[in-house]
Amino acid sequence: EPEVTQTPSHQVTQMGQEVILRCVPISNHLYFYWYRQILGQKVEFLVSFYNNEISEKSEIFDDQFSVERPDGSNFTLKIRSTKLEDSAMYFCASSNRRGTDTQYFGPGTRLTVL
Amino acid sequence: RKEVEQDPGPFNVPEGATVAFNCTYSNSASQSFFWYRQDCRKEPKLLMSVYSSGNEDGRFTAQLNRASQYISLLIRDSKLSDSATYLCVVIPPKGNFNKFYFGSGTKLNVKP
Repeated sequence: EPEVTQTPSHQVTQMGQEVILRCVPISNHLYFYWYRQILGQKVEFLVSFYNNEISEKSEIFDDQFSVERPDGSNFTLKIRSTKLEDSAMYFCASSNRRGTDTQYFGPGTRLTVL
Repeated sequence: RKEVEQDPGPFNVPEGATVAFNCTYSNSASQSFFWYRQDCRKEPKLLMSVYSSGNEDGRFTAQLNRASQYISLLIRDSKLSDSATYLCVVIPPKGNFNKFYFGSGTKLNVKP
């Protein structure tokens, strides 16, 4: 069964450093998403991406964040200058159609900012 | 008011019990609903979509009540493996159709 993959599984970084989280969505999916989950809290939407551009972003997704689809398979989330409060689990998701279609989630990258 | 609200639990039930969770949503024009389960420190995994007519998948039954703006999940004959956090997911009306709103989750502990 096809699945979303994410690397690394755990990233530790110093405050102020840049990090790039990587995702490989399911191959025939066209819509890509990033969510985050701070420990003990709910899953929160960050951004959705379609046709090589952001289609929607939340208030969390400020200028420190960016997304890119550098080739036909990878989808990345970059945090330019990490803060302590960026420590969270980051989930990538993909779906085949927009709107009401099911989203499939990757296993997540645990980001720890020291 | 939060977009999606759930009772955090935990619900502690014995094996074989029937347990039900509710989830309320604030936007009456919301168009799609799902139940996901999340095991500790793992990704959310789709359990089932929730249709207007209600739907059943084995021991799991999901229902939607648009008038009262809630969805429910019923688990019959609980198994130890059902222990997890159950996440209610709502897709808001068109215009915000790309994002899921997650509830905070309801924790279920099934005991032997």
